[in-house]
Amino acid sequence: NAGVTQTPKFQVLKTGQSMTLQCAQDMNHNSMYWYRQDPGMGLRLIYYSASEGTTDKGEVPNGYNVSRLNKREFSLRLESAAPSQTSVYFCASLRPPESTSGYTFGSGTRLTVV
Amino acid sequence: DQQVKQNSPSLSVQEGRISILNCDYTNSMFDYFLWYKKYPAEGPTFLISISSIKDKNEDGRFTVFLNKSAKHLSLHIVPSQPGDSAVYFCAANAGGTSYGKLTFGQGTILTVHP
Repeated sequence: NAGVTQTPKFQVLKTGQSMTLQCAQDMNHNSMYWYRQDPGMGLRLIYYSASEGTTDKGEVPNGYNVSRLNKREFSLRLESAAPSQTSVYFCASLRPPESTSGYTFGSGTRLTVV
Repeated sequence: DQQVKQNSPSLSVQEGRISILNCDYTNSMFDYFLWYKKYPAEGPTFLISISSIKDKNEDGRFTVFLNKSAKHLSLHIVPSQPGDSAVYFCAANAGGTSYGKLTFGQGTILTVHP
């Protein structure tokens, strides 16, 4: 099925460990996004990529890095995980026109940092 | 500074009645507004949107109203069904070169009782 695929679905990390969250879309969308969802905070933008080869910071980028590997894939890396990064992470892609379209979200990665 | 606010964390309604979910925003640059629905363990799904040049948009049982002077939008679901029970997020886009970046509200948990 066409859509956005995220892996893994669940992960437990120890403080200081690193990991990469993977995201791939097969809809040929240019724009891709990483959000985190926390209770009472809604979804907050971490990083986004308007097109292949470009990435930009969102609202809460500290502690994260991203790579737009190609048009399909957009990964999020935690270099040294902290308990404050415990959250549910969603990847999304957006078809043109980006200003008026709705996102297609992946099913999320639930990350716990202990 | 929460630019998009959903002040009601939860709403409970009877099947067949109207559900009204509210959202307020503070940023005058927002010109496109969207509603997303989210079931547990799934990513949010796009529901309905409205441009700032309109004050109403309908799609089946769902209608979104926009009051620009009050910086307020609402989502009406008529009639409500048990399958509508989910978390609803409103979101806003500043358009232009925002590349589809959305600012989300905190979400409202809707429960529709049979």
